[in-house]
Amino acid sequence: ELKVEQNPLFLSMQEGKNYTIYCNYSTTSDRLYWYRQDPGKSLESLFVLLSNGAVKQEGRLMASLDTKARLSTLHITAAVHDLSATYFCAVDLAGGTSYGKLTFGQGTILTVHP
Amino acid sequence: DTEVTQTPKHLVMGMTNKKSLKCEQHMGHRAMYWYKQKAKKPPELMFVYSYEKLSINESVPSRFSPECPNSSLLNLHLHALQPEDSALYLCASSQERSGLASPDTQYFGPGTRLTVL
Repeated sequence: ELKVEQNPLFLSMQEGKNYTIYCNYSTTSDRLYWYRQDPGKSLESLFVLLSNGAVKQEGRLMASLDTKARLSTLHITAAVHDLSATYFCAVDLAGGTSYGKLTFGQGTILTVHP
Repeated sequence: DTEVTQTPKHLVMGMTNKKSLKCEQHMGHRAMYWYKQKAKKPPELMFVYSYEKLSINESVPSRFSPECPNSSLLNLHLHALQPEDSALYLCASSQERSGLASPDTQYFGPGTRLTVL
């Protein structure tokens, strides 16, 4: 059974600081996703990472993937209040009867304060 | 247009009621999904439809009945629900990648917040 674990689960940051969220998964996967969810809202796709060493950046967020370590990171640079949200990683267990099945991490609740 | 729409936004129902949730997308996606999300938890997959056929049912109780009338629409019929079924129900869709191991990025709708009394 695929397990996806994020840490930390709660992250309180000061504006302007840097931090990293970690996502570990237990079996070989085809794709890894990062989603953002604001309170009471739906999930917004941030990144999809396809291969070992993949790195993607959008604004103050940068995601990377190490398939050998089964680890993805979401790095936040110079945090601003607008980044406050819950961040989920999700892993696609490729193939066969699991086609399309996303397994989510527990989520990291990020709060950025002045 | 990367939009998935869901109706209604909010639904309150009694345990004896029958209701339906609706989801629509016009992105030409051929895979559609239902998820259930409880407060402060990640989404949990319920059903996957691929080319209008049910491909995954995650052992969901029969009081939840999905239906895919065509490639743009996905319904979730609800009957005799329990209070513990109260949650945010999310619909998603994605492009298929024929012959490959997994579909493309899933795009989520705004959700229906369901309360069962």
